[in-house]
Amino acid sequence: QQPVQSPQAVILREGEDAVINCSSSKALYSVHWYRQKHGEAPVFLMILLKGGEQKGHDKISASFNEKKQQSSLYLTASQLSYSGTYFCGTEAGTASKLTFGTGTRLQVTL
Amino acid sequence: DTEVTQTPKHLVMGMTNKKSLKCEQHMGHRAMYWYKQKAKKPPELMFVYSYEKLSINESVPSRFSPECPNSSLLNLHLHALQPEDSALYLCASSSGLAGYNEQFFGPGTRLTVL
Repeated sequence: QQPVQSPQAVILREGEDAVINCSSSKALYSVHWYRQKHGEAPVFLMILLKGGEQKGHDKISASFNEKKQQSSLYLTASQLSYSGTYFCGTEAGTASKLTFGTGTRLQVTL
Repeated sequence: DTEVTQTPKHLVMGMTNKKSLKCEQHMGHRAMYWYKQKAKKPPELMFVYSYEKLSINESVPSRFSPECPNSSLLNLHLHALQPEDSALYLCASSSGLAGYNEQFFGPGTRLTVL
């Protein structure tokens, strides 16, 4: 079952903040976050593991609530380059594979 | 080299054709993936190879046949496809399976089945 992301779409002015949420119905081992610009490949942003380990870019932060099977991606002081579609990818149990969420389209304007 | 390359970029084929998609990485990654992505939808996992062996097949129809000739190469052989198979096919690689290992995606092959 596909993780559900919210909001579906958001428009920001440059410099504003945004939060993107990802919710799964399954117990999760890890959550990955990727950004995909139109016509391009998805690009890695963050990994959050059960137990608290994280790996990712300095300017991006995220949280992982293991009990609620939810993760949030925090985008602060947004830049035009942040525009794109954000996907969470969840790894449930010992599946050793990612199931991508429904996606959030983010547009940053001047 | 942190790049995953895919060829061709675009492919148009008829329902009776046989074609192949190619993916290559030189990062020493031992896990490689095929995803299918429809417009405005998330990537959907098709196959996972780990150490050149098929690890996961997400119940993909047999008209799609993956092959991993060596640790750097991944092919997807296509035969007797349907118009609904038209999509962007993405290849990815990672140093290990999911978990703490980020996936590096190629630019994709945009496939149109007539």
